[in-house]
Amino acid sequence: EAGVAQSPRYKIIEKRQSVAFWCNPISGHATLYWYQQILGQGPKLLIQFQNNGVVDDSQLPKDRFSAERLKGVDSTLKIQPAKLEDSAVYLCASGGPSGGSYNEQFFGPGTRLTVL
Amino acid sequence: GENVEQHPSTLSVQEGDSAVIKCTYSDSASNYFPWYKQELGKRPQLIIDIRSNVGEKKDQRIAVTLNKTAKHFSLHITETQPEDSAVYFCAGNYNQGGKLIFGQGTELSVKP
Repeated sequence: EAGVAQSPRYKIIEKRQSVAFWCNPISGHATLYWYQQILGQGPKLLIQFQNNGVVDDSQLPKDRFSAERLKGVDSTLKIQPAKLEDSAVYLCASGGPSGGSYNEQFFGPGTRLTVL
Repeated sequence: GENVEQHPSTLSVQEGDSAVIKCTYSDSASNYFPWYKQELGKRPQLIIDIRSNVGEKKDQRIAVTLNKTAKHFSLHITETQPEDSAVYFCAGNYNQGGKLIFGQGTELSVKP
């Protein structure tokens, strides 16, 4: 079974520039999560999708971050404009065929973003 | 509020000794508590999880215990090996869809 795919793996941009990350979850997984992991901290949920609907985006800085999962499969996370404090690893995870609170979350390799 | 506290932040043990990492959570509605291991530069990997209807779960050298009354759960690693060295994160779920709140992480170092 293929795992969660993410691209790019690394990205370096200047502050105020835009950047986009892509995630393809495990086939059949209804739930998709985007996490931000700042160096030395645990992952923090930015947004959770169930199929193509948003379940939780309470921690997403909506003035600069946006995410979509239009067809309920792959997803894109965008930052516009980027700030220095956005430097982090952005992890995508997917879970369960039907969602639910007991589903194991499988993480992708992450995208390491550096904002200069 | 949604919060998971984890300690210690760093833990150093000799090979063969046991290691214990503890977490507390704030929401009594939480019912799923996974533990992830993250090696440097790699993705978090689930190593064990526990659901609220059990008090303990074991998988070879790893065990997790849960005390719902006290709202805390712990990871126990016995007979530690150098390859156990990594950062360990606990987490608790906070909505029916499975949103996880992670602890701050524990950097475990196993010295040969």
